[in-house]
Amino acid sequence: EAGVAQSPRYKIIEKRQSVAFWCNPISGHATLYWYQQILGQGPKLLIQFQNNGVVDDSQLPKDRFSAERLKGVDSTLKIQPAKLEDSAVYLCASSLGPGTVYEQYFGPGTRLTVT
Amino acid sequence: AQSVTQLDSQVPVFEEAPVELRCNYSSSVSVYLFWYVQYPNQGLQLLLKYLSGSTLVKGINGFEAEFNKSQTSFHLRKPSVHISDTAEYFCAVSEGQGGKLIFGQGTELSVKP
Repeated sequence: EAGVAQSPRYKIIEKRQSVAFWCNPISGHATLYWYQQILGQGPKLLIQFQNNGVVDDSQLPKDRFSAERLKGVDSTLKIQPAKLEDSAVYLCASSLGPGTVYEQYFGPGTRLTVT
Repeated sequence: AQSVTQLDSQVPVFEEAPVELRCNYSSSVSVYLFWYVQYPNQGLQLLLKYLSGSTLVKGINGFEAEFNKSQTSFHLRKPSVHISDTAEYFCAVSEGQGGKLIFGQGTELSVKP
């Protein structure tokens, strides 16, 4: 079974530029998560989707971050404009969904450096 | 609010020695508990999980953890480590099925020959 795919793996941008990350979850997984992992810290949830609806985006800085999951499959996370403090690894994860004894499967992440 | 504290940021150990990585959590309700491992430049991989039942949980690569409700702890152990166990280990808690994971800050395990 193919795992969670993310692209790009690495991205370097200047502050105030925009950037987008893409995630393709495991086939059949209804729930998709985006986490931000700053160096030296554990991952922090940014947004959780159930199919194409948002379940939790309480920690998403909505003035600059946006995410969508069209058709309940792939997802895109965008930052516009980027700040220096956005430098981090952005992890995408997916799980089967509610009503199951679930496990979150993580992609390899996208390492963003903002200069 | 939930929180997770990993008591050691770095744990150096010699190969074939035993190791314990400590994790404490706070929550007012029943929780699910997890340990993940992250190798350099890779995503997180699940080592083991506690959902219910036996408090001693066995995972992959010879790791095990014990859930202690009275001490709100979920410490990870391995009786004999290998060089290949060198990685970052994260403890995480979730309050419900499908809910978000709250992670600790991580423990860097460094196994030396």
